[in-house]
Amino acid sequence: SAVISQKPSRDICQRGTSLTIQCQVDSQVTMMFWYRQQPGQSLTLIATANQGSEATYESGFVIDKFPISRPNLTFSTLTVSNLSPEDSSIYLCSATGGAVNTEAFFGQGTRLTVV
Amino acid sequence: AQSVSQHNHHVILSEAASLELGCNYSYGGTVNLFWYVQYPGQHLQLLLKYFSGDPLVKGIKGFEAEFIKSKFSFNLRKPSVQWSDTAEYFCAVNARQAGTALIFGKGTTLSVSS
Repeated sequence: SAVISQKPSRDICQRGTSLTIQCQVDSQVTMMFWYRQQPGQSLTLIATANQGSEATYESGFVIDKFPISRPNLTFSTLTVSNLSPEDSSIYLCSATGGAVNTEAFFGQGTRLTVV
Repeated sequence: AQSVSQHNHHVILSEAASLELGCNYSYGGTVNLFWYVQYPGQHLQLLLKYFSGDPLVKGIKGFEAEFIKSKFSFNLRKPSVQWSDTAEYFCAVNARQAGTALIFGKGTTLSVSS
């Protein structure tokens, strides 16, 4: 299993600013993902964080708004840029190993409120 | 593209009642299936998972789920719910390939009254 630590756990930000969320895994993992959970909604995949290369974004999410870094196998950051109230959500980091039958692990999430 | 449908948005039960939450998925290939639970104010926890083999899988806290391939379903069950089962339940699927992301259903809110 893997333990995932996310920082910060919550933040209140002014519109127009940016927030960078850090995700640290306690063991080397193959894949890391970022999800968004809007109030009362399910989890939506934002992107796959690729080590040493650009992230792979899902439809509706773009790099300019959600730049992602993954400098090594255990660490990734998600930045939410040019914040608006619509970005108020919980953002979750997830990691999984490389086998075909492996479960995903989740961080505790970052609750972002934009005012 | 993969998708997951959860039929019940909000389920209200009394303690000791039986629970069944529906989940259907859409995907053309082989999949892994999961149920996650999110208790109020807490992060996601894995309830149970299906990779292969026996289609009836047992998870934590007395939950079980049955994979019916012909129906593309993975329904969650519990014979007797407790007040502490009040939570949000998410069905999720990923393709059985290395390193694929989970796709989640919209979730079912379970409220159990004592």
